[in-house]
Amino acid sequence: QKEVEQDPGPLSVPEGAIVSLNCTYSNSAFQYFMWYRQYSRKGPELLMYTYSSGNKEDGRFTAQVDKSSKYISLFIRDSQPSDSATYLCAMSAYGETSGSRLTFGEGTQLTVNP
Amino acid sequence: DSGVTQTPKHLITATGQRVTLRCSPRSGDLSVYWYQQSLDQGLQFLIQYYNGEERAKGNILERFSAQQFPDLHSELNLSSLELGDSALYFCASSSTGVETQYFGPGTRLLVL
Repeated sequence: QKEVEQDPGPLSVPEGAIVSLNCTYSNSAFQYFMWYRQYSRKGPELLMYTYSSGNKEDGRFTAQVDKSSKYISLFIRDSQPSDSATYLCAMSAYGETSGSRLTFGEGTQLTVNP
Repeated sequence: DSGVTQTPKHLITATGQRVTLRCSPRSGDLSVYWYQQSLDQGLQFLIQYYNGEERAKGNILERFSAQQFPDLHSELNLSSLELGDSALYFCASSSTGVETQYFGPGTRLLVL
């Protein structure tokens, strides 16, 4: 079983829709949760970062973490064609000074249709 | 632009050969991470260096090695290449005490 599970999609929505992307995980030690956006196999771009449980909002993006259910979500409001990309969830376990490895989901491919 | 640079962007080579991938972290970042992204495996952690020292190893093959130099740039060496080593190789860096990592544009390796 993978430590992080993410539905690969593909997910296709009309412009303006609310998009919900999700990941589940099995490692209780994960404390730091991130969402990355990757365009056409380019370098992943950090979108959101959350520590422990709770919500975080940044513009059209909202990240939610529910550690009790080992479930994280990313919501995109008023989706735009430019949001079409692969979205990767990532997690790390340790708050070491030197940083720690990220464990990624396999990514969800999103297409927003005009 | 994340501030992380990687060279070369593309690399085509033959089985059995050796290649070196280079990464320069963001200014001031001491941690460098290497990840491999293949079509069937997703993004997999390979190895981490912090201020010149190896800090963590993932599922990195023995044919692969890395180092971080005093100027903090890092190199990933891949030897005795096999067809299955064809993948995107990403470098990421992070600031001291911060968990977020910033990724470079990657090196696309094709082994023929």
